Amino acid sequence: ELKVEQNPLFLSMQEGKNYTIYCNYSTTSDRLYWYRQDPGKSLESLFVLLSNGAVKQEGRLMASLDTKARLSTLHITAAVHDLSATYFCAVDLGDTGNQFYFGTGTSLTVIP
Amino acid sequence: EPEVTQTPSHQVTQMGQEVILRCVPISNHLYFYWYRQILGQKVEFLVSFYNNEISEKSEIFDDQFSVERPDGSNFTLKIRSTKLEDSAMYFCASSEWGITQYFGPGTRLTVL
Repeated sequence: ELKVEQNPLFLSMQEGKNYTIYCNYSTTSDRLYWYRQDPGKSLESLFVLLSNGAVKQEGRLMASLDTKARLSTLHITAAVHDLSATYFCAVDLGDTGNQFYFGTGTSLTVIP
Repeated sequence: EPEVTQTPSHQVTQMGQEVILRCVPISNHLYFYWYRQILGQKVEFLVSFYNNEISEKSEIFDDQFSVERPDGSNFTLKIRSTKLEDSAMYFCASSEWGITQYFGPGTRLTVL
C-alpha cells in the first residue's frame, strides 16, 4: 500500500524563524507536487518537482526532491504570518495519466 | 485571470439520490481532474481525464461515479446513488499540460 507521510502534522512557529516540512513516500516516483490550502478554501499549486535533485524556490518557500530517498522537503525561511495554512505534498504515480496520492497535510501556524 | 469554476457551491441530497457536480475548466486546458476532501482530512484523488476519456482513476472511483465532458466547456462528476460517506468537498482541477493544476473553489456535498 502506498503511503505518503508528512511531518510534522502540526507546526507552530514564530515569525522570522526557519523550519522544514518533510514528505516521505513509499514507492518510486519522480513527480512530486506541493500545494497550499487556506482554511475553508481550495488548493493552490506551489511547486512541481519532476526530477531527482529538483529544487524550486518562491519567496520564502523552497522545495526539493530526492527520489532515491523518496523524500521531498518544503523549507520555510523567515516565516511570516501570511504563510499560515495547510501544506500538502502529492506524489504522481500515473502511468497513462496523472494519478495523485496526497500526504496527510501539515497545518502551519505562524505566530507574530 | 482565468479560473476554474464549480457549481453548485453546496449541494444537499438524500441518500440514494443521484447528484451531478459541475465544473468549467480553464478554456485552453486539456487535462481535468476530480478530487474529494472529507472535512479535516487529506485530499483524495478520484479521476483524471484527457482527450475525452479517463486516463487514471483511484479505488474510490467505483461504478457509482462517472465523469463526462458533455460539451466544450463543462466537466461533470456524477454520483449515481449517494451514500452518507460521500459527504465531502469535491474539487475540480484543470491543467494545460498535465503538470501545474488549477483548482476550483469546490462543491460541498452533504448526504442526509
